[in-house]
Amino acid sequence: GEDVEQSLFLSVREGDSSVINCTYTDSSSTYLYWYKQEPGAGLQLLTYIFSNMDMKQDQRLTVLLNKKDKHLSLRIADTQTGDSAIYFCAESIAGKLIFGQGTELSVKP
Amino acid sequence: DGGITQSPKYLFRKEGQNVTLSCEQNLNHDAMYWYRQDPGQGLRLIYYSQIVNDFQKGDIAEGYSVSREKKESFPLTVTSAQKNPTAFYLCASSQTSGLVEQFFGPGTRLTVL
Repeated sequence: GEDVEQSLFLSVREGDSSVINCTYTDSSSTYLYWYKQEPGAGLQLLTYIFSNMDMKQDQRLTVLLNKKDKHLSLRIADTQTGDSAIYFCAESIAGKLIFGQGTELSVKP
Repeated sequence: DGGITQSPKYLFRKEGQNVTLSCEQNLNHDAMYWYRQDPGQGLRLIYYSQIVNDFQKGDIAEGYSVSREKKESFPLTVTSAQKNPTAFYLCASSQTSGLVEQFFGPGTRLTVL
């Protein structure tokens, strides 16, 4: 079946790196996505990775994809208080997105 | 500015009343989606539409209805049959092929009293 799993909470200190993990079940997903949601707002696409890639770097963000283990991670370098939000991973299946439960990132000064 | 809008931001209704949530996009996207978000449960798909005058049920369609008479608009009606309607509702739109980046509206928080 379709299922995307994430841990619910992560707390880091400002300036540290954050790593948010995600596992998914459908190996046919073409793209995998990371979305960010600030309190009371909609979701914004942060980054995505094509399924034939292992890694993608975009400024402070690094996405790692392990297709064998169906594991996706998002690393945020030099985490700032403005990075505090809920982060969702998602896989695309038949034109639809299947979202994880979201990881709430709390950044302490 | 291109984007996707939802109105109102906050909505209060009495139990037993139907209520319609608005979603409009000017991104010329073919596909539109409605999600429900509850704490700790992520986003659950209610309905989606990939073309005008056609829509499909998502994972939790019971108690909801939609229409797609225009490409720009995808209103969601929460009916009195929905057992637990209090939630945050998010609308999204996207193209239907290639990189399916969904653009989200700001959401409507519905509270049923």
